[in-house]
Amino acid sequence: SQTIHQWPATLVQPVGSPLSLECTVEGTSNPNLYWYRQAAGRGLQLLFYSVGIGQISSEVPQNLSASRPQDRQFILSSKKLLLSDSGFYLCAWSVSNRGRGGYGYTFGSGTRLTVV
Amino acid sequence: SQQGEEDPQALSIQEGENATMNCSYKTSINNLQWYRQNSGRGLVHLILIRSNEREKHSGRLRVTLDTSKKSSSLLITASRAADTASYFCALTGGGNKLTFGTGTQLKVEL
Repeated sequence: SQTIHQWPATLVQPVGSPLSLECTVEGTSNPNLYWYRQAAGRGLQLLFYSVGIGQISSEVPQNLSASRPQDRQFILSSKKLLLSDSGFYLCAWSVSNRGRGGYGYTFGSGTRLTVV
Repeated sequence: SQQGEEDPQALSIQEGENATMNCSYKTSINNLQWYRQNSGRGLVHLILIRSNEREKHSGRLRVTLDTSKKSSSLLITASRAADTASYFCALTGGGNKLTFGTGTQLKVEL
């Protein structure tokens, strides 16, 4: 069965420090991968998605970047964190589909990031 | 890309009652999905309904889709305290990229 791992669960980082959040998927190949951010009490904002190794699409210009060095590994990074980067970060995967869509996403358990 | 808008924003009911949440959107869709999020956790996929479908069931969940009105509803029958969570509708854009609404917070009281 497919599983998705996301870590760490919580993180407190000072302003200006770097960030690296990792997400890995097991039990599938060539998944679509996604990074979302959720502000407190709000909906999810798509940050990045990837349809293959080295292929990253950015949805929102910001202080963050993403990389996909391996098929089932997705990394969210920042060189210098801002206070506004605080939030709940969620990684997700779906079946690769070049058609009309139609597959549910499987989410990781999330990382609560607090920038102080 | 568009997102759905859930209504109501918050809903409080007694255990055993039915809960209905609605989602409206503005442009044509390929499919619409519903997710549940328990506090501080990741989202769990509940149901996907395609644009050519009108109703789907999964256990105590019933989803309807009215493409002429650009709206969907999620009905949870015989609610339980464990159903307390936020519920989101999500729409598919190009390349299976989902956009989420701001959700309905459901509280089921004993």
